[in-house]
Amino acid sequence: DAGVTQSPTHLIKTRGQQVTLRCSPKSGHDTVSWYQQALGQGPQFIFQYYEEEERQRGNFPDRFSGHQFPNYSSELNVNALLLGDSALYLCASSLVFSDEQYFGPGTRLTVT
Amino acid sequence: KQEVTQIPAALSVPEGENLVLNCSFTDSAIYNLQWFRQDPGKGLTSLLLIQSSQREQTSGRLNASLDKSSGRSTLYIAASQPGDSATYLCAVGDTDKLIFGTGTRLQVFP
Repeated sequence: DAGVTQSPTHLIKTRGQQVTLRCSPKSGHDTVSWYQQALGQGPQFIFQYYEEEERQRGNFPDRFSGHQFPNYSSELNVNALLLGDSALYLCASSLVFSDEQYFGPGTRLTVT
Repeated sequence: KQEVTQIPAALSVPEGENLVLNCSFTDSAIYNLQWFRQDPGKGLTSLLLIQSSQREQTSGRLNASLDKSSGRSTLYIAASQPGDSATYLCAVGDTDKLIFGTGTRLQVFP
């Protein structure tokens, strides 16, 4: 049983560019959440997708957007990258209304 | 606004010691509390999930307790091993999202 997978593993971008990160949920899960973890900090909730719609959103600007596909996989898009967007981006999957979230290995984004 | 705090921020102990990691939260209206382990540069591994109606959960050498009224949770690690070295994060379940503390960085030396 494959767990949560994310791609790419690492990414280096320049300020002002756009980036897309991808996540495949654990088999049988229908809900995907995205978190940003800056160095030395705990993860912060960006948003959650269920049934291809954004269900809840954290305190992040509109530069952060997402999408969920019919197969439940998800993308996180960040436009107009800033140096402060450098972080580990974590994807978590779960069943809707379930308590436990399962995390992927993350994508390390570096903005120069 | 829910805030989660973890104390201590870092801990270094010799192998074999029993450890207590602390987590506190400001709003007792939580759905659950989850403890995670994170190795350097890696994702999160779920250790224990405590529902809001429960007082504790155990898994092997790990035991987590929850006291909602006082806004506290503790993670007890028995007979620590070098392989336990990692950052331990607690997260409070708030509707559909998790609110994390900043973690306790644990080093267990032989």
